[in-house]
Amino acid sequence: DVKVTQSSRYLVKRTGEKVFLECVQDMDHENMFWYRQDPGLGLRLIYFSYDVKMKEKGDIPEGYSVSREKKERFSLILESASTNQTSMYLCASSPQGRSSEAFFGQGTRLTVV
Amino acid sequence: GESVGLHLPTLSVQEGDNSIINCAYSNSASDYFIWYKQESGKGPQFIIDIRSNMDKRQGQRVTVLLNKTVKHLSLQIAATQPGDSAVYFCAEKLPTSGTYKYIFGTGTRLKVLA
Repeated sequence: DVKVTQSSRYLVKRTGEKVFLECVQDMDHENMFWYRQDPGLGLRLIYFSYDVKMKEKGDIPEGYSVSREKKERFSLILESASTNQTSMYLCASSPQGRSSEAFFGQGTRLTVV
Repeated sequence: GESVGLHLPTLSVQEGDNSIINCAYSNSASDYFIWYKQESGKGPQFIIDIRSNMDKRQGQRVTVLLNKTVKHLSLQIAATQPGDSAVYFCAEKLPTSGTYKYIFGTGTRLKVLA
């Protein structure tokens, strides 16, 4: 059974803290993605990666960075958390090639206070 | 893409009736168009996809229609059941930088009335 695991379901952090959100997939997928989900705005792409140590900016990368040191792990980093980064964060992975399906984790609800 | 705002469109359907959820997309270069279902507290789950060179694809109780002329995608759910209550997202699989990325719409909430 395919699995994308996000390290935390809920996080509360203070403004200015450095925050790490971790995502691990066990499907040997090449591609991994980080989205944030806000009511009425859908899922917006923050960053994605198609290989180890490779990263591409999505539509809203400001205030975020990512790290992919191993194929199965993709980390999202909030360099200095702000209240407008309070959101649901979703990690996904997909194989390279013709398959269309991206597999999602359960999400991490981050609250910045 | 779809209009952006703070309000999530809601479709209310009587149990047993058919549901039609619509989506407009903007990228003509997308390879696939995909529908996802997101239940409360869970990540989105794949329902069905359609390749860009097709007009219609059927699954179990679901049908996806693609109209490339007007850049419109729809999901039809037959005999809607209470378990179909969820938020539905359309997505495009778009080639970029030698790989792909997924661009999502803003979502539609489906409420099934008993």
